Amino acid sequence: ETGVTQTPRHLVMGMTNKKSLKCEQHLGHNAMYWYKQSAKKPLELMFVYSLEERVENNSVPSRFSPECPNSSHLFLHLHTLQPEDSALYLCASSPGTGYEQYFGPGTRLTVT
Amino acid sequence: QKEVEQNSGPLSVPEGAIASLNCTYSDRGSQSFFWYRQYSGKSPELIMSIYSNGDKEDGRFTAQLNKASQYVSLLIRDSQPSDSATYLCAVNRDDKIIFGKGTRLHILP
Repeated sequence: ETGVTQTPRHLVMGMTNKKSLKCEQHLGHNAMYWYKQSAKKPLELMFVYSLEERVENNSVPSRFSPECPNSSHLFLHLHTLQPEDSALYLCASSPGTGYEQYFGPGTRLTVT
Repeated sequence: QKEVEQNSGPLSVPEGAIASLNCTYSDRGSQSFFWYRQYSGKSPELIMSIYSNGDKEDGRFTAQLNKASQYVSLLIRDSQPSDSATYLCAVNRDDKIIFGKGTRLHILP
């Protein structure tokens, strides 16, 4: 695998389910990010991790819970989501914060 | 003033012509500038980076940077229908990358 990978690529979940999104980067980077992008809307930065430490949390509801066990892996744990949370969730990594970011293919999430 | 501003478009350009995409930024201390291309339903892809004033060319793409005027632009020569996408400008501020909202480009066959 090369670059940034995300699984699953598509996810449909009910409002009472719990699921997790996974991101893995194979670039040796030190920073990882979660973004949300709703249909035809700009990128919304959710969380930033640098060297496995969360350095930014942009007023994201607690039903989204990130986890960064090491510099190569990033998770987004989801529970009791709302239909308005349906969106493309993008993971990115960079050599450090403030450097160019490389994106994974995204997870298309639908909440029913 | 927004940190990174782009015209949302759509910008319609005939096939074979030059497409010109512009971006302005507010932080005079910014040192790194990036252009991303995002096809509908896909993730952003880094296509150009520029760090110093002037032009940087890569194939059909030219990035232009003017720090005094605080703008960065992307020129696409010999535009192709496959260039139709949303183009995101990104600028560093301190230790963050700030993305613009993007310009939708439509190449007319």
